[in-house]
Amino acid sequence: NAGVMQNPRHLVRRRGQEARLRCSPMKGHSHVYWYRQLPEEGLKFMVYLQKENIIDESGMPKERFSAEFPKEGPSILRIQQVVRGDSAAYFCASSPGLGQGSSGNTIYFGEGSWLTVV
Amino acid sequence: TQLLEQSPQFLSIQEGENLTVYCNSSSVFSSLQWYRQEPGEGPVLLVTVVTGGEVKKLKRLTFQFGDARKDSSLHITAAQPGDTGLYLCALQGGGTSYGKLTFGQGTILTVHP
Repeated sequence: NAGVMQNPRHLVRRRGQEARLRCSPMKGHSHVYWYRQLPEEGLKFMVYLQKENIIDESGMPKERFSAEFPKEGPSILRIQQVVRGDSAAYFCASSPGLGQGSSGNTIYFGEGSWLTVV
Repeated sequence: TQLLEQSPQFLSIQEGENLTVYCNSSSVFSSLQWYRQEPGEGPVLLVTVVTGGEVKKLKRLTFQFGDARKDSSLHITAAQPGDTGLYLCALQGGGTSYGKLTFGQGTILTVHP
């Protein structure tokens, strides 16, 4: 059973460009979470999505950031007009529904996408 | 928002030594998780503690949940270089938001051969 797959693993963008980060959850998982890890801030929750729905986006910056989890295909975290402060590791995690599956209420993290803005 | 404080922030020890990492909050935890993250990789769940006073063991790692459920500790016996990494404690959100985790700032552990 493949784990949470993120791509690209490393992405370099110039200031003002767009960054798209993709996440394919574990097989059978319908819940996806995005986290950001900044050296000075640690690992912070950004957004929680289920298929075609944003459940909680309380950790998303108000501007330039968006996330989706379409009915078909991976979840996408999109950052428009990137700035140097967006340089960070972005982690996706997935889980089955509440109480479903042998893993219970456990989420599984991908290996991350490292964004560098130059 | 409930905050978690981890200590120490950095720990550098020799192979074979024992160590303890602490995670504290001013509020009561419902449940607490410990993760380990290696450089260039995502966090991996080590354990979930739920009951006050609970002790869980994972090989050389011992996890304890305080009686008042406001603190937790991770003790490693006879540390090995493979234990090197970032250790994070995290609170789970309630109900269907169990995947919304609030992390402590972490303890960076380096074990020298």
